[in-house]
Amino acid sequence: SAVISQKPSRDICQRGTSLTIQCQVDSQVTMMFWYRQQPGQSLTLIATANQGSEATYESGFVIDKFPISRPNLTFSTLTVSNMSPEDSSIYLCSTQARVDTEAFFGQGTRLTVV
Amino acid sequence: QKEVEQNSGPLSVPEGAIASLNCTYSDRGSQSFFWYRQYSGKSPELIMSIYSNGDKEDGRFTAQLNKASQYVSLLIRDSQPSDSATYLCAPSGTGGGNKLTFGTGTQLKVEL
Repeated sequence: SAVISQKPSRDICQRGTSLTIQCQVDSQVTMMFWYRQQPGQSLTLIATANQGSEATYESGFVIDKFPISRPNLTFSTLTVSNMSPEDSSIYLCSTQARVDTEAFFGQGTRLTVV
Repeated sequence: QKEVEQNSGPLSVPEGAIASLNCTYSDRGSQSFFWYRQYSGKSPELIMSIYSNGDKEDGRFTAQLNKASQYVSLLIRDSQPSDSATYLCAPSGTGGGNKLTFGTGTQLKVEL
């Protein structure tokens, strides 16, 4: 499986600011995703990061709030914009080699907004 | 109806016992099914995958799939305290991109 490096691992941010999370994979992968896991909850898919084009967002998530970049097959970023305390969560980068295959996760970014 | 349903637990079993974790899903088109283990404060870790009806064994873990009943389960034999974690069921979807849909997870506690 690919090795997924995510950074920062944690951060405490002021409300109204933005944070960019980076996800680096050690090999080219077809599919990359960004998830959110709120305290005590399961994983919720934010968007599919598409290489060279705009990300595909799930219902309830918008590009202005969570802009995503994916310039190549090994790297993606997620920005959490204009943060509020409700954005305090763990954000996870994930990869899949092909459809219907298992997903692997980065170590996550624990974000606290104060 | 939720897409993926799991009993949130906690499920408590004594050390050495068999832990049985269950999951039902709504998407009849799902073809691939995965079980993840998540320790507190850590990211999910894949422990089992199953694609065909029946049982699949890997060490102390056995995954069981019944597509007709839309049911998948995970058995952990000889449970150890280190198995204490939240277990997430994740069927693949049939929508665009075949994204995984995660259940809310079952918290397992293995007691000494």
